Amino acid sequence: AQSVTQLGSHVSVSEGALVLLRCNYSSSVPPYLFWYVQYPNQGLQLLLKYTSAATLVKGINGFEAEFKKSETSFHLTKPSAHMSDAAEYFCAVSKGTYKYIFGTGTRLKVLA
Amino acid sequence: IAGITQAPTSQILAAGRRMTLRCTQDMRHNAMYWYRQDLGLGLRLIHYSNTAGTTGKGEVPDGYSVSRANTDDFPLTLASAVPSQTSVYFCASSEPGGPYNEQFFGPGTRLTVL
Repeated sequence: AQSVTQLGSHVSVSEGALVLLRCNYSSSVPPYLFWYVQYPNQGLQLLLKYTSAATLVKGINGFEAEFKKSETSFHLTKPSAHMSDAAEYFCAVSKGTYKYIFGTGTRLKVLA
Repeated sequence: IAGITQAPTSQILAAGRRMTLRCTQDMRHNAMYWYRQDLGLGLRLIHYSNTAGTTGKGEVPDGYSVSRANTDDFPLTLASAVPSQTSVYFCASSEPGGPYNEQFFGPGTRLTVL
């Protein structure tokens, strides 16, 4: 069965510091992986997705993620955190358009 | 461009009452979904529809029903609400045809069942 695990339900970083949000997946087949962001009182919006074209995926707002098959990971990074990055981030895996499996989410707090 | 609209924004409901959460999209997407979001559990799929006239069960379908009479609308009904259905409900849509298709989400409905 496919699943994703997000390590750390809460992450705090200082403004300007590196952001690293962890996601590990389990899948018996090549996965399609996603990162979504949820700002307060809003729905989710896509940050980036991995579809096997390239292992390093660049998304919106300066975020990127690297697919590492050997580590079954798809961690999200951003070199320099901004106050506006404060939100909840969800990793998800899909093997069909109606079979998204979401992680439990990581709430990012950015400290001034 | 509205995308996906949901109504109501929030609702407090007495246990045992019937409630329909509305979802409308204007992107002409064939696939639509209902999720519930609970603290510490992420998003869980309740029901989905790949195209008008067809629906399917997701991970947590008990106590919920859906219909898909047309492409744009995908209402979610709680026939007899219970407190465990207190949650934030999100409607989403996507184009089918590949597991890599992005899902677009509505703003959510916050439901409290007392």
